[in-house]
Amino acid sequence: DTGVSQDPRHKITKRGQNVTFRCDPISEHNRLYWYRQTLGQGPEFLTYFQNEAQLEKSRLLSDRFSAERPKGSFSTLEIQRTEQGDSAMYLCASSSPGQEPLNYGYTFGSGTRLTVV
Amino acid sequence: DQQVKQNSPSLSVQEGRISILNCDYTNSMFDYFLWYKKYPAEGPTFLISISSIKDKNEDGRFTVFLNKSAKHLSLHIVPSQPGDSAVYFCAASRSNSGGSNYKLTFGKGTLLTVNP
Repeated sequence: DTGVSQDPRHKITKRGQNVTFRCDPISEHNRLYWYRQTLGQGPEFLTYFQNEAQLEKSRLLSDRFSAERPKGSFSTLEIQRTEQGDSAMYLCASSSPGQEPLNYGYTFGSGTRLTVV
Repeated sequence: DQQVKQNSPSLSVQEGRISILNCDYTNSMFDYFLWYKKYPAEGPTFLISISSIKDKNEDGRFTVFLNKSAKHLSLHIVPSQPGDSAVYFCAASRSNSGGSNYKLTFGKGTLLTVNP
């Protein structure tokens, strides 16, 4: 069990560029979540996958954002035409129904810190 | 609208003493509450949780108390250790129609510093 892995750890991009982040969940976890954390705030829910199905998207996830989990394993989060307001820590987490996730919580990755200049 | 509020941005305590971190919520539909700890450059780590049908849950040095009538919960750490220095997030969730809780609403966090 290597935990939840996120890549890259840091990304600096120019405004208007597209960026893509990757998340590899714990292998037996079928639930995957993306959260965003801005400075001075707690993490905010973005989206949730059960296997390959995206079951919920937050209204925070504008049409510039898209998330996929094509084979129910790793997930990608793409931001198109980045804006300075997109600068944040993007956190991925995973869980398994058998863990009763809210007894044991999710397992979060270390996040990808995005800076848009 | 901040549904989960941690009104103290920071707290400083002496090693060996009790740390009490507070959290208030506004949504009465929340039925599960969790505390996470976060070190710099790391993701949040689950600490302890409590269901709304309970008023206390204990795990080693960590105890969470829930007062539903006041919509208030607190995390007690006894005794506090320097390694406990971190940002602590309170989070809450509500069951959906299928009985599944998965979406967490977080507070802004409280930075705890435990001084040797």
